Amino acid sequence: EDQVTQSPEALRLQEGESSSLNCSYTVSGLRGLFWYRQDPGKGPEFLFTLYSAGEEKEKERLKATLTKKESFLHITAPKPEDSATYLCALGYNQGGKLIFGQGTELSVKP
Amino acid sequence: ETGVTQTPRHLVMGMTNKKSLKCEQHLGHNAMYWYKQSAKKPLELMFVYNFKEQTENNSVPSRFSPECPNSSHLFLHLHTLQPEDSALYLCASSPRAGTGGKGANIQYFGAGTRLSVL
Repeated sequence: EDQVTQSPEALRLQEGESSSLNCSYTVSGLRGLFWYRQDPGKGPEFLFTLYSAGEEKEKERLKATLTKKESFLHITAPKPEDSATYLCALGYNQGGKLIFGQGTELSVKP
Repeated sequence: ETGVTQTPRHLVMGMTNKKSLKCEQHLGHNAMYWYKQSAKKPLELMFVYNFKEQTENNSVPSRFSPECPNSSHLFLHLHTLQPEDSALYLCASSPRAGTGGKGANIQYFGAGTRLSVL
């Protein structure tokens, strides 16, 4: 059965304290590993998609990496405005559907 | 107006009411999606439409009835809901659903409708 698991469920950081969020998966027919950011009361906002092991993408303080079993979202020197829930999702060859993990709630304190 | 717009943002309804959620996308996409987001649970895919045709129904109860009159508009008709249906309902769109190149599956979400069933 296809599965995606995110850890930790919640992460509290001090401003400037770098860390990583994990997304572990098992899937057949993977067509992309997606990262989204969701702020309270809003819909998810697209961040990155990765398609093959070894691929990396960066955006400001965020860097996403992908292996055959997991993806990491690295946050370098985070700021309070990076506080949000970060979601990863598996894409499929057929149908375009995404299967989401339960998310990691990140809180960055000044 | 740009992006994906959902109305209403908040909805309170009784178990015997009939209401509809509306989603409109201004991105020129051909695929649209309904998701349900309950507290402490992952987003659950409900329906997928690709070029106005329904391509996925994720075993959703019949009290939820989707409608996609064109590639820009998506509705979710609600009737005789249960309290456990209270959740955030999210609409998304993508260039297309399934094959079509690496960017085709990137989904862009609206802000959602917060539904409370009393």
